[in-house]
Amino acid sequence: DQQVKQNSPSLSVQEGRISILNCDYTNSMFDYFLWYKKYPAEGPTFLISISSIKDKNEDGRFTVFLNKSAKHLSLHIVPSQPGDSAVYFCAASGSAGGTSYGKLTFGQGTILTVHP
Amino acid sequence: DTGVSQNPRHKITKRGQNVTFRCDPISEHNRLYWYRQTLGQGPEFLTYFQNEAQLEKSRLLSDRFSAERPKGSFSTLEIQRTEQGDSAMYLCASSLGTSKGASTHTQYFGPGTRLTVL
Repeated sequence: DQQVKQNSPSLSVQEGRISILNCDYTNSMFDYFLWYKKYPAEGPTFLISISSIKDKNEDGRFTVFLNKSAKHLSLHIVPSQPGDSAVYFCAASGSAGGTSYGKLTFGQGTILTVHP
Repeated sequence: DTGVSQNPRHKITKRGQNVTFRCDPISEHNRLYWYRQTLGQGPEFLTYFQNEAQLEKSRLLSDRFSAERPKGSFSTLEIQRTEQGDSAMYLCASSLGTSKGASTHTQYFGPGTRLTVL
């Protein structure tokens, strides 16, 4: 049962353009969402997060949008840079008292390639 | 560097052998997590500790797996009688679990230990 899904295995964009990575979830008990970036042979690096009480959170070039009714979130990177090329994972966590509290449930990842 | 550290970074072992991995979390973090990642998949939760107490174990964690955090600081993950299916990247993460809001949910990962079982 894949509770967090990233349906695009890969995405290729030109340097300077916008990268949009998408993520869908099925568990309505999730109330906190995070994006991680991962380079080969390294652990995931935290990028940005959003609470379910918000619909947008911005940090520099990175913006995360949350659509609770559609159970969908997206990460926008503007402008994209070649150094952004990595695997991006979305992850979700539940509220205290729920079965998904504390642990993160990850999607399968999307490989982003930014071409110079 | 005061991030999460893991040792060893790579481990190659023969089927049936026991292996042990170590994780040192960020010093002020009281929560520690273990995940496993296989090729083409996202990390999957294995278990987590708050201080020295193991609060949850995934059904992925068979009887051959055991994790400890005896003094609430570093943690070890042991796999007994390794099988080829245990080959994966084992990731450790830590978080500050006592505060409300973002710090409770945001987990910081170490570089991982890549296990290869021959």
